[in-house]
Amino acid sequence: NAGVTQTPKFQVLKTGQSMTLQCAQDMNHEYMSWYRQDPGMGLRLIHYSVGAGITDQGEVPNGYNVSRSTTEDFPLRLLSAAPSQTSVYFCASSYNHRGSPLHFGNGTRLTVT
Amino acid sequence: KNEVEQSPQNLTAQEGEFITINCSYSVGISALHWLQQHPGGGIVSLFMLSSGKKKHGRLIATINIQEKHSSLHITASHPRDSAVYICAVRNQGAQKLVFGQGTRLTINP
Repeated sequence: NAGVTQTPKFQVLKTGQSMTLQCAQDMNHEYMSWYRQDPGMGLRLIHYSVGAGITDQGEVPNGYNVSRSTTEDFPLRLLSAAPSQTSVYFCASSYNHRGSPLHFGNGTRLTVT
Repeated sequence: KNEVEQSPQNLTAQEGEFITINCSYSVGISALHWLQQHPGGGIVSLFMLSSGKKKHGRLIATINIQEKHSSLHITASHPRDSAVYICAVRNQGAQKLVFGQGTRLTINP
């Protein structure tokens, strides 16, 4: 199993540009989630999904969009990038949301200028 | 909303020392996770606990549900244990995790 695959590893955007961060898992996990990690802030939940076709907002959803058309994929879209979205983004999955170990992707370091 | 507090925020120790990192939370939970993040690296799940104690190699995690408190212990610490250790909890009936701020551990040779 490849586990959780996140792409790209690094990205630089100009303010106003849009892009999609990709996340895929091959473990048939129900639960997938996106976090951003900022210095001194810890991990903050952006959006999550408990299964294909089901998504919900986390703590900091503004400026981000998600969809879950398949069990495997959970892309995160930045609609119009802002400097405040400069961060490290992590995708994570688990078998279900009721209590199973988390598997994280390797992260995407995004800089918005 | 559950408040998750970790202590200490930073910890520096000498190789071989016994390390304890603490995590307290304010509301009843269904599960608690301990995660490890090396500098510039990804995040790895160490333990998931709902009660009692778990051990993996030199790492031990305990949880006291009544006290709303968990500890992560590292025996015979080594410089490769230097990392940020993160506690995360899932509230009872909730779908989301709440994360602590992390504890930065540095083990000097």
